[in-house]
Amino acid sequence: QKEVEQNSGPLSVPEGAIASLNCTYSDRVSQSFFWYRQYSGKSPELIMSIYSNGDKEDGRFTAQLNKASQYVSLLIRDSQPSDSATYLCAVNIGGTASKLTFGTGTRLQVTL
Amino acid sequence: DTEVTQTPKHLVMGMTNKKSLKCEQHMGHRAMYWYKQKAKKPPELMFVYSYEKLSINESVPSRFSPECPNSSLLNLHLHALQPEDSALYLCASSHRTGNDIQYFGAGTRLSVL
Repeated sequence: QKEVEQNSGPLSVPEGAIASLNCTYSDRVSQSFFWYRQYSGKSPELIMSIYSNGDKEDGRFTAQLNKASQYVSLLIRDSQPSDSATYLCAVNIGGTASKLTFGTGTRLQVTL
Repeated sequence: DTEVTQTPKHLVMGMTNKKSLKCEQHMGHRAMYWYKQKAKKPPELMFVYSYEKLSINESVPSRFSPECPNSSLLNLHLHALQPEDSALYLCASSHRTGNDIQYFGAGTRLSVL
């Protein structure tokens, strides 16, 4: 079992719709969770961080964390073509040090 | 300001060359990282420095040699690389190690001929 799993996609949603991106992780002691957006040929850009169970909202983005189910998700409301990118879920595995482990990423395509 | 600056943006080198990648941040972060990213793959951790000391080496070949001269600067020295080392090399920094957010630089696109 991979430590951080994501559906590679592509996930295709029409402009204005809600995009839902999912991520599961294997280590129960993980404490911090991040969503990064990466455009083709560019570096990862932080979208959201979440540390506690529940929802965290920032503009059009909502991160959801369920530690009991080892599940973290990212919702993008009112999706725009500029949201088309690969979304990387990153988890601090083992809750120690600095070892962020990334999922393989989900490619999102927002269609006109 | 969450800027991490990497130079050069692009680098082409032969297998016998010696080159260095540079990373700089002025956010007062005390943890700095090197990642390697191949096309269509996630970033893979290479090295972690905490308070200018190497704390994690992910079994990286010795042809990659990291250096942290001070808390703002991180170098990656390259020597006798192989074509399969061609990748995007990313530097990141965070306030401290642990659960702190890591901010990435724009990366250096390396091609080894």
